[in-house]
Amino acid sequence: DAKTTQPPSMDCAEGRAANLPCNHSTISGNEYVYWYRQIHSQGPQYIIHGLKNNETNEMASLIITEDRKSSTLILPHATLRDTAVYYCIVRARGGSNYKLTFGKGTLLTVNP
Amino acid sequence: EAGVVQSPRYKIIEKKQPVAFWCNPISGHNTLYWYLQNLGQGPELLIRYENEEAVDDSQLPKDRFSAERLKGVDSTLKIQPAELGDSAVYLCASSLGGTLGTDTQYFGPGTRLTVL
Repeated sequence: DAKTTQPPSMDCAEGRAANLPCNHSTISGNEYVYWYRQIHSQGPQYIIHGLKNNETNEMASLIITEDRKSSTLILPHATLRDTAVYYCIVRARGGSNYKLTFGKGTLLTVNP
Repeated sequence: EAGVVQSPRYKIIEKKQPVAFWCNPISGHNTLYWYLQNLGQGPELLIRYENEEAVDDSQLPKDRFSAERLKGVDSTLKIQPAELGDSAVYLCASSLGGTLGTDTQYFGPGTRLTVL
């Protein structure tokens, strides 16, 4: 699986949009971009995933650049409960490509 | 819909003692995973089950770790004997399974093990 690079930490003001970047310059054509987050003392929580089109669900939006070498997770109105470590993971689809390889992620701190 | 259930949430034992963790996956999920998470690190896969078969246990330290999923639903991960370095969070995840498309994994809250 392709390697990802994320900033170690970011701050965001409550109520503002949080934009979390991820670089995956070696991504291949059959690899998806997944985002999970982990709130303190909880297990990782699935947020969203995408292949090449932008995706949106009730939690967040995922913007993938046209060349697919980077992506941004957007939390449109961050709350204090969004403070967590956010993991960007690249994973090939189907077959034996089930393993999620977690890096160190980005610690997002939402401030009041 | 209930998520992945794990118990206990916390466990403190002395070194050389045995310990077991239990996981109940999301109903209908055929694939079950055990991950290990050390402090400040991301989770790392230990073992994956497809129904009752362990299809990838290459990262499981088999000298002291064992796992089972006898009826293809609940699973137990055991350590015997525990060592100081086993102190970590043990996470269980499940997914629908299958080889088509993506297969999103959903995680439980984890069991935090402290070995004294």
